[in-house]
Amino acid sequence: LAKTTQPISMDSYEGQEVNITCSHNNIATNDYITWYQQFPSQGPRFIIQGYKTKVTNEVASLFIPADRKSSTLSLPRVSLSDTAVYYCLVGDQSGGYNKLIFGAGTRLAVHP
Amino acid sequence: DVKVTQSSRYLVKRTGEKVFLECVQDMDHENMFWYRQDPGLGLRLIYFSYDVKMKEKGDIPEGYSVSREKKERFSLILESASTNQTSMYLCASSPFLDRDNEQFFGPGTRLTVL
Repeated sequence: LAKTTQPISMDSYEGQEVNITCSHNNIATNDYITWYQQFPSQGPRFIIQGYKTKVTNEVASLFIPADRKSSTLSLPRVSLSDTAVYYCLVGDQSGGYNKLIFGAGTRLAVHP
Repeated sequence: DVKVTQSSRYLVKRTGEKVFLECVQDMDHENMFWYRQDPGLGLRLIYFSYDVKMKEKGDIPEGYSVSREKKERFSLILESASTNQTSMYLCASSPFLDRDNEQFFGPGTRLTVL
Protein backbone atom coordinates (compact mmCIF):
# COMPACT_ATOMS: atom_id res chain seq x y z
CA LEU A 1 0.00 0.00 0.00
CA ALA A 2 1.34 3.39 -0.93
CA LYS A 3 2.32 5.61 1.95
CA THR A 4 2.67 9.35 1.83
CA THR A 5 4.74 11.33 4.26
CA GLN A 6 4.48 15.06 4.81
CA PRO A 7 5.75 17.36 7.56
CA ILE A 8 3.11 17.76 10.22
CA SER A 9 3.43 21.52 10.40
CA MET A 10 5.33 24.47 9.01
CA ASP A 11 5.61 28.12 9.93
CA SER A 12 6.31 31.02 7.61
CA TYR A 13 5.98 34.78 7.36
CA GLU A 14 4.09 36.88 4.92
CA GLY A 15 5.92 37.39 1.64
CA GLN A 16 8.10 34.29 1.93
CA GLU A 17 8.10 31.32 -0.41
CA VAL A 18 6.94 28.08 1.17
CA ASN A 19 7.85 24.61 -0.06
CA ILE A 20 6.03 21.55 1.24
CA THR A 21 7.37 18.15 0.24
CA CYS A 22 5.42 14.92 0.13
CA SER A 23 7.15 11.54 -0.13
CA HIS A 24 5.21 8.76 -1.87
CA ASN A 25 7.22 5.57 -2.16
CA ASN A 26 4.79 3.36 -4.11
CA ILE A 27 3.01 5.65 -6.49
CA ALA A 28 1.24 4.03 -9.41
CA THR A 29 3.07 4.42 -12.73
CA ASN A 30 0.28 6.27 -14.48
CA ASP A 31 -1.06 8.27 -11.60
CA TYR A 32 -0.94 11.99 -11.16
CA ILE A 33 0.05 13.72 -7.96
CA THR A 34 -2.55 16.11 -6.64
CA TRP A 35 -2.49 18.68 -3.87
CA TYR A 36 -5.45 19.97 -1.92
CA GLN A 37 -5.86 22.90 0.46
CA GLN A 38 -8.22 22.91 3.43
CA PHE A 39 -9.31 25.89 5.50
CA PRO A 40 -10.97 25.47 8.92
CA SER A 41 -14.61 24.43 8.72
CA GLN A 42 -14.36 23.72 4.99
CA GLY A 43 -13.73 20.69 2.84
CA PRO A 44 -10.47 20.37 0.91
CA ARG A 45 -10.23 22.08 -2.43
CA PHE A 46 -8.03 21.25 -5.40
CA ILE A 47 -4.90 23.36 -5.85
CA ILE A 48 -2.68 21.73 -8.46
CA GLN A 49 -1.95 18.45 -10.17
CA GLY A 50 1.02 17.10 -12.09
CA TYR A 51 2.59 13.95 -13.50
CA LYS A 52 6.25 14.90 -13.86
CA THR A 53 8.68 17.82 -13.97
CA LYS A 54 7.03 21.14 -13.16
CA VAL A 55 3.51 22.47 -13.26
CA THR A 56 2.51 26.06 -12.48
CA ASN A 57 -0.85 27.74 -12.13
CA GLU A 58 -2.06 31.01 -10.65
CA VAL A 59 -1.91 29.64 -7.12
CA ALA A 60 1.16 27.40 -6.85
CA SER A 61 3.88 25.39 -8.53
CA LEU A 62 4.44 21.67 -8.29
CA PHE A 63 7.86 20.11 -8.73
CA ILE A 64 8.14 16.38 -9.39
CA PRO A 65 11.52 14.66 -9.80
CA ALA A 66 12.13 12.02 -12.43
CA ASP A 67 11.68 9.10 -10.04
CA ARG A 68 8.31 10.54 -8.89
CA LYS A 69 8.87 9.31 -5.35
CA SER A 70 8.24 12.77 -3.99
CA SER A 71 6.69 16.07 -4.96
CA THR A 72 7.07 19.62 -3.70
CA LEU A 73 4.29 22.15 -3.54
CA SER A 74 5.64 25.67 -3.79
CA LEU A 75 3.60 28.69 -2.66
CA PRO A 76 5.20 31.96 -3.76
CA ARG A 77 5.01 34.97 -1.44
CA VAL A 78 2.51 33.59 1.03
CA SER A 79 -0.06 35.76 2.79
CA LEU A 80 -2.06 35.24 5.97
CA SER A 81 -4.87 33.75 3.89
CA ASP A 82 -2.62 30.85 2.90
CA THR A 83 -2.82 29.54 6.47
CA ALA A 84 -4.40 26.11 5.93
CA VAL A 85 -3.74 22.38 5.86
CA TYR A 86 -2.22 21.04 2.65
CA TYR A 87 -2.67 17.44 1.53
CA CYS A 88 -0.92 15.49 -1.19
CA LEU A 89 -2.90 12.77 -2.93
CA VAL A 90 -1.50 9.86 -4.94
CA GLY A 91 -2.69 6.51 -6.25
CA ASP A 92 -1.46 3.14 -5.12
CA GLN A 93 0.14 0.61 -7.46
CA SER A 94 -2.42 -2.02 -6.54
CA GLY A 95 -4.86 0.01 -8.54
CA GLY A 96 -8.54 0.73 -8.11
CA TYR A 97 -10.25 3.87 -7.04
CA ASN A 98 -10.27 2.77 -3.44
CA LYS A 99 -6.52 3.15 -3.37
CA LEU A 100 -6.27 6.90 -3.51
CA ILE A 101 -4.03 7.81 -0.61
CA PHE A 102 -4.24 11.14 1.13
CA GLY A 103 -1.29 12.24 3.19
CA ALA A 104 -1.84 13.21 6.83
CA GLY A 105 -1.59 16.85 5.84
CA THR A 106 0.78 19.71 6.57
CA ARG A 107 -0.54 22.52 8.73
CA LEU A 108 0.92 25.77 7.42
CA ALA A 109 0.80 28.82 9.66
CA VAL A 110 1.65 32.16 8.07
CA HIS A 111 2.59 34.91 10.51
CA PRO A 112 2.53 38.70 9.98
CA ASP B 1 -20.53 27.29 -9.29
CA VAL B 2 -20.09 23.68 -8.26
CA LYS B 3 -21.67 22.72 -5.00
CA VAL B 4 -21.63 19.76 -2.62
CA THR B 5 -23.86 20.11 0.41
CA GLN B 6 -24.08 17.99 3.52
CA SER B 7 -27.22 17.81 5.59
CA SER B 8 -25.69 18.80 8.92
CA ARG B 9 -22.56 20.64 10.02
CA TYR B 10 -22.71 19.23 13.54
CA LEU B 11 -24.44 16.12 14.84
CA VAL B 12 -24.55 14.53 18.28
CA LYS B 13 -25.81 10.97 18.63
CA ARG B 14 -25.80 8.27 21.27
CA THR B 15 -24.11 4.91 21.12
CA GLY B 16 -26.26 2.38 19.31
CA GLU B 17 -28.30 4.89 17.35
CA LYS B 18 -28.72 4.58 13.60
CA VAL B 19 -27.24 7.64 11.93
CA PHE B 20 -27.79 8.98 8.44
CA LEU B 21 -25.43 11.48 6.84
CA GLU B 22 -26.74 12.96 3.62
CA CYS B 23 -24.79 14.48 0.75
CA VAL B 24 -26.14 16.19 -2.34
CA GLN B 25 -24.25 17.47 -5.38
CA ASP B 26 -25.68 19.69 -8.10
CA MET B 27 -23.03 19.09 -10.75
CA ASP B 28 -24.43 15.93 -12.34
CA HIS B 29 -21.26 14.08 -11.31
CA GLU B 30 -21.03 10.32 -11.78
CA ASN B 31 -18.88 9.62 -8.73
CA MET B 32 -19.44 10.36 -5.08
CA PHE B 33 -17.30 9.59 -2.04
CA TRP B 34 -17.43 9.48 1.73
CA TYR B 35 -14.30 10.13 3.79
CA ARG B 36 -13.62 10.48 7.44
CA GLN B 37 -11.00 12.86 8.69
CA ASP B 38 -9.15 12.40 11.96
CA PRO B 39 -6.20 14.34 13.40
CA GLY B 40 -2.88 12.90 12.29
CA LEU B 41 -4.53 10.46 9.89
CA GLY B 42 -5.65 12.73 7.08
CA LEU B 43 -8.61 11.66 4.98
CA ARG B 44 -9.53 8.00 4.72
CA LEU B 45 -11.97 6.70 2.14
CA ILE B 46 -14.98 4.84 3.56
CA TYR B 47 -17.04 4.12 0.43
CA PHE B 48 -17.48 5.48 -3.03
CA SER B 49 -20.13 5.17 -5.73
CA TYR B 50 -19.56 5.41 -9.47
CA ASP B 51 -23.21 5.19 -10.50
CA VAL B 52 -26.71 5.04 -9.09
CA LYS B 53 -27.12 1.96 -6.89
CA MET B 54 -23.44 1.08 -7.35
CA LYS B 55 -20.94 1.20 -4.51
CA GLU B 56 -17.41 0.13 -3.70
CA LYS B 57 -15.64 -0.23 -0.36
CA GLY B 58 -12.84 2.11 0.49
CA ASP B 59 -10.12 1.59 3.05
CA ILE B 60 -12.28 1.65 6.18
CA PRO B 61 -15.83 0.43 5.38
CA GLU B 62 -16.37 -1.50 8.61
CA GLY B 63 -19.31 -0.18 10.59
CA TYR B 64 -20.67 1.83 7.66
CA SER B 65 -23.00 1.33 4.74
CA VAL B 66 -24.06 3.63 1.92
CA SER B 67 -27.01 4.25 -0.33
CA ARG B 68 -27.25 5.93 -3.69
CA GLU B 69 -30.78 5.85 -5.04
CA LYS B 70 -30.43 9.03 -7.09
CA LYS B 71 -27.45 10.39 -8.97
CA GLU B 72 -27.23 13.57 -6.94
CA ARG B 73 -27.55 12.03 -3.48
CA PHE B 74 -25.19 9.76 -1.55
CA SER B 75 -25.98 8.72 2.00
CA LEU B 76 -23.66 7.32 4.64
CA ILE B 77 -25.29 5.12 7.25
CA LEU B 78 -23.97 4.12 10.63
CA GLU B 79 -26.14 1.16 11.55
CA SER B 80 -25.24 1.28 15.24
CA ALA B 81 -23.10 4.26 16.11
CA SER B 82 -20.11 3.76 18.36
CA THR B 83 -17.84 6.24 20.11
CA ASN B 84 -14.94 5.39 17.79
CA GLN B 85 -16.99 6.77 14.92
CA THR B 86 -16.77 10.25 16.37
CA SER B 87 -15.09 12.13 13.54
CA MET B 88 -15.39 14.66 10.74
CA TYR B 89 -17.15 13.17 7.73
CA LEU B 90 -16.53 14.63 4.30
CA CYS B 91 -18.48 13.97 1.13
CA ALA B 92 -17.01 14.59 -2.32
CA SER B 93 -17.96 14.17 -5.95
CA SER B 94 -16.10 14.00 -9.26
CA PRO B 95 -17.32 13.96 -12.84
CA PHE B 96 -15.45 10.97 -14.26
CA LEU B 97 -14.22 7.60 -13.10
CA ASP B 98 -10.60 8.46 -13.80
CA ARG B 99 -9.12 8.63 -10.33
CA ASP B 100 -6.97 11.58 -11.26
CA ASN B 101 -10.06 13.65 -11.65
CA GLU B 102 -10.56 16.60 -9.30
CA GLN B 103 -12.83 15.91 -6.36
CA PHE B 104 -15.20 18.57 -5.04
CA PHE B 105 -15.79 18.43 -1.31
CA GLY B 106 -18.66 19.44 0.91
CA PRO B 107 -18.06 21.40 4.14
CA GLY B 108 -18.13 18.32 6.34
CA THR B 109 -20.27 16.98 9.18
CA ARG B 110 -18.71 16.78 12.61
CA LEU B 111 -20.29 13.77 14.29
CA THR B 112 -19.99 13.17 18.01
CA VAL B 113 -21.14 9.83 19.40
CA LEU B 114 -21.69 9.84 23.16
